[in-house]
Amino acid sequence: GAGVSQSPSNKVTEKGKDVELRCDPISGHTALYWYRQSLGQGLEFLIYFQGNSAPDKSGLPSDRFSAERTGGSVSTLTIQRTQQEDSAVYLCASSPVSSGGYTFGSGTRLTVV
Amino acid sequence: AQRVTQPEKLLSVFKGAPVELKCNYSYSGSPELFWYVQYSRQRLQLLLRHISRESIKGFTADLNKGETSFHLKKPFAQEEDSAMYYCALRGGNYGQNFVFGPGTRLSVLP
Repeated sequence: GAGVSQSPSNKVTEKGKDVELRCDPISGHTALYWYRQSLGQGLEFLIYFQGNSAPDKSGLPSDRFSAERTGGSVSTLTIQRTQQEDSAVYLCASSPVSSGGYTFGSGTRLTVV
Repeated sequence: AQRVTQPEKLLSVFKGAPVELKCNYSYSGSPELFWYVQYSRQRLQLLLRHISRESIKGFTADLNKGETSFHLKKPFAQEEDSAMYYCALRGGNYGQNFVFGPGTRLSVLP
């Protein structure tokens, strides 16, 4: 597609439920990143996929968080047993490995009530 | 370890005044430095990168390796420059994730 697409744009969920957030990167971009932006905070790195290499999961805050990238394209971030502190905007970005900058999606605003 | 600091959470200037958003970093190798901007209700977007040595929307930033800084400057601020600005660093190996600073909210007053 023309840009990085994320869905849903907004998600309200009850504490304890599982959620899945989707990211569709720019076609041909081999690198895909997930970040979290909490209210009043900066961007927190979560996970990074590069081609067929094992993902860098060093930023995932707990084992309730996981992500996969199927076929080197679409990625899904899953949060199990959501907590109120998981409320944030989850941003996805992609880049071609040979270029410097990211292209960000518009994010998914997750609210855990 | 990679680290980016932006000492000002909020910076307010009057229209037409010069503006400088500070960014300092720590990295042992040769980093790539970037500025990203997020306007109200819009997605985060790349503003400029140090390797391009470009000027975007009147903004420039020079990488000072001696001071480990990458301050963003504009000689005459405009109201439409009001936004959240993030400084970001990526390590020398392509594909590594970015480290973002906490961001500075720029408010340009009429």
